[in-house]
Amino acid sequence: DTGVSQDPRHKITKRGQNVTFRCDPISEHNRLYWYRQTLGQGPEFLTYFQNEAQLEKSRLLSDRFSAERPKGSFSTLEIQRTEQGDSAMYLCASSFLGGRRTEAFFGQGTRLTVV
Amino acid sequence: AQTVTQSQPEMSVQEAETVTLSCTYDTSESNYYLFWYKQPPSRQMILVIRQEAYKQQNATENRFSVNFQKAAKSFSLKISDSQLGDTAMYFCAFTLEGNKLVFGAGTILRVKS
Repeated sequence: DTGVSQDPRHKITKRGQNVTFRCDPISEHNRLYWYRQTLGQGPEFLTYFQNEAQLEKSRLLSDRFSAERPKGSFSTLEIQRTEQGDSAMYLCASSFLGGRRTEAFFGQGTRLTVV
Repeated sequence: AQTVTQSQPEMSVQEAETVTLSCTYDTSESNYYLFWYKQPPSRQMILVIRQEAYKQQNATENRFSVNFQKAAKSFSLKISDSQLGDTAMYFCAFTLEGNKLVFGAGTILRVKS
């Protein structure tokens, strides 16, 4: 297993455009998380899934943000009508709930720049 | 709500010396997990060490060890024999089992040769 992978690694978009990011978790992991990290800060929780069910959404996740995990495997995070304040690193992580070790493993992130 | 506080924005240490990074947290729960994650300049978050709250014994992983003080809600990370590759941002994080991680603001550690 190659770990958590995210695509794209970098995205530059114009304000008002829509963007979509993809995350492929570690294959046997049933939980998948999205976080947002701005420069010099710790990651902030956005949402998470157990299998295909979205169990929690942060109040940070405005109605312009939507996340899906349609078959309980990969996940997408879409941002509609991007704003400059959306510029950040978007991190995906996965974990396995039910095993002896439940720590989350992170991908390399997608850096979004809104111009 | 749970919170995590890292009071040291930046730290530096000479190669081969020991450094301790501080972390305090706040929760009303009794069963939880604490982690230290390392984020090198390449940006991928890497797990350094974990601690289950029900375990009294402090976790150790090679050169990394923690001082877990449950009553004081303190969880510090000690790095022994510091190496240049330890230069990174270090995040303390809290979670209830299987749930979201709550991160501190991070401590930048610079190891100097």
